[in-house]
Amino acid sequence: GENVEQHPSTLSVQEGDSAVIKCTYSDSASNYFPWYKQELGKRPQLIIDIRSNVGEKKDQRIAVTLNKTAKHFSLHITETQPEDSAVYFCAASSGNTGKLIFGQGTTLQVKP
Amino acid sequence: NAGVMQNPRHLVRRRGQEARLRCSPMKGHSHVYWYRQLPEEGLKFMVYLQKENIIDESGMPKERFSAEFPKEGPSILRIQQVVRGDSAAYFCASSPIKGPSNQPQHFGDGTRLSIL
Repeated sequence: GENVEQHPSTLSVQEGDSAVIKCTYSDSASNYFPWYKQELGKRPQLIIDIRSNVGEKKDQRIAVTLNKTAKHFSLHITETQPEDSAVYFCAASSGNTGKLIFGQGTTLQVKP
Repeated sequence: NAGVMQNPRHLVRRRGQEARLRCSPMKGHSHVYWYRQLPEEGLKFMVYLQKENIIDESGMPKERFSAEFPKEGPSILRIQQVVRGDSAAYFCASSPIKGPSNQPQHFGDGTRLSIL
């Protein structure tokens, strides 16, 4: 069935370092890949997304890369700040309905 | 420009009672998705609706759970005869009218359901 695997489950970095989170998906028909940031007790917030016709997208300190052949995509955060500490979820669209299949989440801790 | 509105934010029910969760999509959005998040886990798709239609309910438990999105009013997720395992955060997301398969989904603040 449809599945998204996300690694690592936890990630601890020093402030100013880069953080990379990786996901793989199983549904070759997936064409949309969003990333969400969720702080404790809050709603998931869309931080960046990429569609299948693009290999890379950047927004300030955040970038996402997509390799459709290998069916994996990654989130890159540069110059991390303590405010980046949260749980990050990748997701892949499934089918024509647009439902999202989420990864298991990565808890990012940025140490000051 | 209100976002996705969910209510209540917190809901406490005793085992065997019914829970009703409401979701109003963002203005201009006609696609509604419900997801469930168990404690310290990821989000799991439950159901996708458009006005007056259930499009995909492949993630809904076979019993006790139902959803609707009437012509007027919010989308409702209904859980009958709740059990302790239903305790979770239930999030609603909406996306724009055109082509849902690759459109951003914006989430509400969720309803945290606790079963005593």
